[in-house]
Amino acid sequence: GAGVSQSPSNKVTEKGKDVELRCDPISGHTALYWYRQSLGQGLEFLIYFQGNSAPDKSGLPSDRFSAERTGGSVSTLTIQRTQQEDSAVYLCASSFGGATGELFFGEGSRLTVL
Amino acid sequence: GQNIDQPTEMTATEGAIVQINCTYQTSGFNGLFWYQQHAGEAPTFLSYNVLDGLEEKGRFSSFLSRSKGYSYLLLKELQMKDSASYLCAVPPLGAGSYQLTFGKGTKLSVIP
Repeated sequence: GAGVSQSPSNKVTEKGKDVELRCDPISGHTALYWYRQSLGQGLEFLIYFQGNSAPDKSGLPSDRFSAERTGGSVSTLTIQRTQQEDSAVYLCASSFGGATGELFFGEGSRLTVL
Repeated sequence: GQNIDQPTEMTATEGAIVQINCTYQTSGFNGLFWYQQHAGEAPTFLSYNVLDGLEEKGRFSSFLSRSKGYSYLLLKELQMKDSASYLCAVPPLGAGSYQLTFGKGTKLSVIP
């Protein structure tokens, strides 16, 4: 596609449920990032993929969070047993590779945990 | 580690000039980014500075001083559509680290 596509754009769930967020990066971009943005806060790094592998998972806040990427393209971020503090906008970004390149962000998935 | 500071909010008048500052403390340096984020939208790339000095791009300019750990974004001839958050970010340092570290952003409100 022309840009980074994320789905769902909005997700409301009950505490304790699992959620899956999807990111479809720009075709040909080998690097993919997940960030989290809470109200009034900066972008918090979660995980980085180069191809299908994740050399940097240092930002995942707990073992309830996991992510995978298949075919060097689509990525899913899974949050198990959601908590209210997981409520945030989850942003995906892709680039040609290397963190000194421009990141192209998706519109984000807004997660609300009740 | 990397620490980035920006003012939380700024207000400026349409047609005026505004300067948004960013200071950073890092164990090394690999350039500095500015991104623009309109409310409810994705951040978009504005500039990348790796050398000292001013880089101009239309109404927007970005300045970097590596010795002072300081950058600013200069917006001229402000328009209402420039109301947005402006995010300063630094790339990772060292092997095994790939994250772009963002400041909390400066929310700019342009008023008539």
